[in-house]
Amino acid sequence: EAGVVQSPRYKIIEKKQPVAFWCNPISGHNTLYWYRQNLGQGPELLIRYENEEAVDDSQLPKDRFSAERLKGVDSTLKIQPAELGDSAVYLCASRQWDLHKAEQYFGPGTRLTVT
Amino acid sequence: AQKVTQAQTEISVVEKEDVTLDCVYETRDTTYYLFWYKQPPSGELVFLIRRNSFDEQNEISGRYSWNFQKSTSSFNFTITASQVVDSAVYFCALSGGGSGNTGKLIFGQGTTLQVKP
Repeated sequence: EAGVVQSPRYKIIEKKQPVAFWCNPISGHNTLYWYRQNLGQGPELLIRYENEEAVDDSQLPKDRFSAERLKGVDSTLKIQPAELGDSAVYLCASRQWDLHKAEQYFGPGTRLTVT
Repeated sequence: AQKVTQAQTEISVVEKEDVTLDCVYETRDTTYYLFWYKQPPSGELVFLIRRNSFDEQNEISGRYSWNFQKSTSSFNFTITASQVVDSAVYFCALSGGGSGNTGKLIFGQGTTLQVKP
């Protein structure tokens, strides 16, 4: 079974430029998460989707970040404009909703460097 | 509020030594899940184990074992006879359970384990 796929793996941009990250979750997983991981820290949730609905975006900086999950499968996370402090690894994870199974499976992440 | 603390920032051992990674958590939920993930240099978080708050049985999987103690709010991870391939950052994480199970993971800061040959 294929895992969570993310692209690109690495991205270097100048500040004030836009950037987008793409995620394809594990087939059949209806819950999708975007996390941000700063250097030396654990991941922190940005947004959670149940199918195509964003049900928890309380930690998404909405002035510059946006996300979508059309048709409840692939998802895109966008930053416009990027700032130096946005440099981090952006992780996508998915889960098949089950009250008794809570583990999430993560993709390899996109390492963003803003110069 | 939920919180996970991994007090050990870095641990260095020599191959074949046993090593224990500590994890202490805080939550007001009566039902919750605890996890350990491994993050090798490649960057991908690899799921290792999930433990339900109602199940305090310790678990062993090969060289890995986990000790869950609700009385001390701890969920420690032991690697027996460590190997160089165990070198990675290990994260402990917590999520709420029951009908409010959103799956949102609260991660600790991580423990970097270096196993030297």
